[in-house]
Amino acid sequence: DSGVTQTPKHLITATGQRVTLRCSPRSGDLSVYWYQQSLDQGLQFLIQYYNGEERAKGNILERFSAQQFPDLHSELNLSSLELGDSALYFCASGDSTGRLPGTSGSLGEQFFGPGTRLTVL
Amino acid sequence: AQSVAQPEDQVNVAEGNPLTVKCTYSVSGNPYLFWYVQYPNRGLQFLLKYITGDNLVKGSYGFEAEFNKSQTSFHLKKPSALVSDSALYFCAVRDITGGYNKLIFGAGTRLAVHP
Repeated sequence: DSGVTQTPKHLITATGQRVTLRCSPRSGDLSVYWYQQSLDQGLQFLIQYYNGEERAKGNILERFSAQQFPDLHSELNLSSLELGDSALYFCASGDSTGRLPGTSGSLGEQFFGPGTRLTVL
Repeated sequence: AQSVAQPEDQVNVAEGNPLTVKCTYSVSGNPYLFWYVQYPNRGLQFLLKYITGDNLVKGSYGFEAEFNKSQTSFHLKKPSALVSDSALYFCAVRDITGGYNKLIFGAGTRLAVHP
């Protein structure tokens, strides 16, 4: 058990709808990362939050958005869903900034939640 | 930009034989390298990491990885494969562009261990 929780485990919805995926990071982790894993695209980094602020963006569509709340849990919002959005969505938590090696929280490893499987019909 | 490559989509090994899952990297600066494993319908689990020090890194479940700077490789190894090692393996490199940690993952290699 990584200590990262994600809800729901499974989500089935229709095209055009909007869904919200939730993630709670490990205790003490300030960073939350979202990834999308689909069969043809592999593991794609979507977005990172650190202590409530967006810090890095990857291949995230404009129809998708995320936020991190004061209690550090995060939500990924997916709107105007398309068939191609069907995928596993993972949340990971980890250390904080890219500080210099040897300083606290500089290692970069991430701990993944069990994922939410989204099926768009 | 930092990147990793996993040249093999799938590796097949007989149970009891040694296994190697390959990873090469391209980074500016010192590499921080990671291996993760994903079992069916599960999230990624951290196996091991190389930060600095010994080139042979030992991790979970009997896995180890060898860092080779001249070949820019970080291959995952295990002396004797188990059927239960069958899973999807990801190599990753830390990217601190912009001052914040993120991981860049390879495409993954599916390991199939046959009885």
